[in-house]
Amino acid sequence: DAGVTQSPTHLIKTRGQHVTLRCSPISGHKSVSWYQQVLGQGPQFIFQYYEKEERGRGNFPDRFSARQFPNYSSELNVNALLLGDSALYLCASSLWGGNQPQHFGDGTRLSIL
Amino acid sequence: EDQVTQSPEALRLQEGESSSLNCSYTVSGLRGLFWYRQDPGKGPEFLFTLYSAGEEKEKERLKATLTKKESFLHITAPKPEDSATYLCAVQANDYKLSFGAGTTVTVRA
Repeated sequence: DAGVTQSPTHLIKTRGQHVTLRCSPISGHKSVSWYQQVLGQGPQFIFQYYEKEERGRGNFPDRFSARQFPNYSSELNVNALLLGDSALYLCASSLWGGNQPQHFGDGTRLSIL
Repeated sequence: EDQVTQSPEALRLQEGESSSLNCSYTVSGLRGLFWYRQDPGKGPEFLFTLYSAGEEKEKERLKATLTKKESFLHITAPKPEDSATYLCAVQANDYKLSFGAGTTVTVRA
């Protein structure tokens, strides 16, 4: 079975631009979460969606937004990119959220010049 | 706010030299503690979930244990392929995982 897939794998943007990252969950999983991982640190929670509704949001500015589609795939959007947004963006899926294990994709490496 | 501290930051082992990684946490109402393995350039790979103090889980050379304040990941007779960063995360509500910074384990042949 396919795991969590994310696209693109790498992306280079300049300050002020906008970016959209995409995630397809494991088949049958209805919950998707987004995390940001800076080099040398653990992932930081950004959002979780379940059945197309936002279930939770981390301490990130309003420049970050996300949505989940009827097929349970998800997009993460970041506006007005800053140098500090350079990171690995990880998507994780789980059956229904809650305290079920979250399974991660290999992420999108975003570099801001 | 949930806090997760992992120690040591880095661990260098000889092949076959057993050791333990520590994850201490402060959370109000633990709903689950999760261990992940992360290889360079990859996403975290799920290893274990522990839900209550006293619980233990095993997988090959890895064994995870949980108390009310900390969790240990024991690596028995490690091999070079066990080299990775091991991440601990706690969950105190319905959605958010709070991660530690990880322990980077290097196993030399």
